[in-house]
Amino acid sequence: AAGVIQSPRHLIKEKRETATLKCYPIPRHDTVYWYQQGPGQDPQFLISFYEKMQSDKGSIPDRFSAQQFSDYHSELNMSSLELGDSALYFCASSSNRLAGETQYFGPGTRLLVL
Amino acid sequence: GEDVEQSLFLSVREGDSSVINCTYTDSSSTYLYWYKQEPGAGLQLLTYIFSNMDMKQDQRLTVLLNKKDKHLSLRIADTQTGDSAIYFCAERADSWGKLQFGAGTQVVVTP
Repeated sequence: AAGVIQSPRHLIKEKRETATLKCYPIPRHDTVYWYQQGPGQDPQFLISFYEKMQSDKGSIPDRFSAQQFSDYHSELNMSSLELGDSALYFCASSSNRLAGETQYFGPGTRLLVL
Repeated sequence: GEDVEQSLFLSVREGDSSVINCTYTDSSSTYLYWYKQEPGAGLQLLTYIFSNMDMKQDQRLTVLLNKKDKHLSLRIADTQTGDSAIYFCAERADSWGKLQFGAGTQVVVTP
């Protein structure tokens, strides 16, 4: 079965640079969630989109922005990167938030900021 | 996850049963989940339970939910070395669907 695809899988950037992370949800899934997992920590919710509109916002820094496109893929744009942004970034997708459909996670993008 | 609490570590012998416990605070949580994360890997959905259920069994996995005490547990029968991982419990925090995770329980299976 098709899973959530994230690219790139690994990314190394320097401070103050920008990064773009991409997420391709499971086909026919209409909702995308972004989470950030710091080293040794649990995943923290950043932002979500339902039918291409932002549906919820968590602890996402103002330096980050995201959007969901017409084909339902999503991109997380990160600017002015800081050392503390080094983390594993997960994207998850689900088919119907109102029905409580479970979220399936992608493999994550490991970002290292030097 | 300050609203979801788990014990941090569990050691179990191969072939024994493992029980991982979790407590949550949001009584309005509709779904509760268990995810497995192996080193350097993503989050694998193991199972979930709807809040109007007390128990759910799926092969070697048994989930018990005590809504009164806001306590969730995951029992793994006949634990194998491949079960060594971090297990996260998570609650669906609101109708928008975001998940609130616990800190994760590191399960180590010894031969």
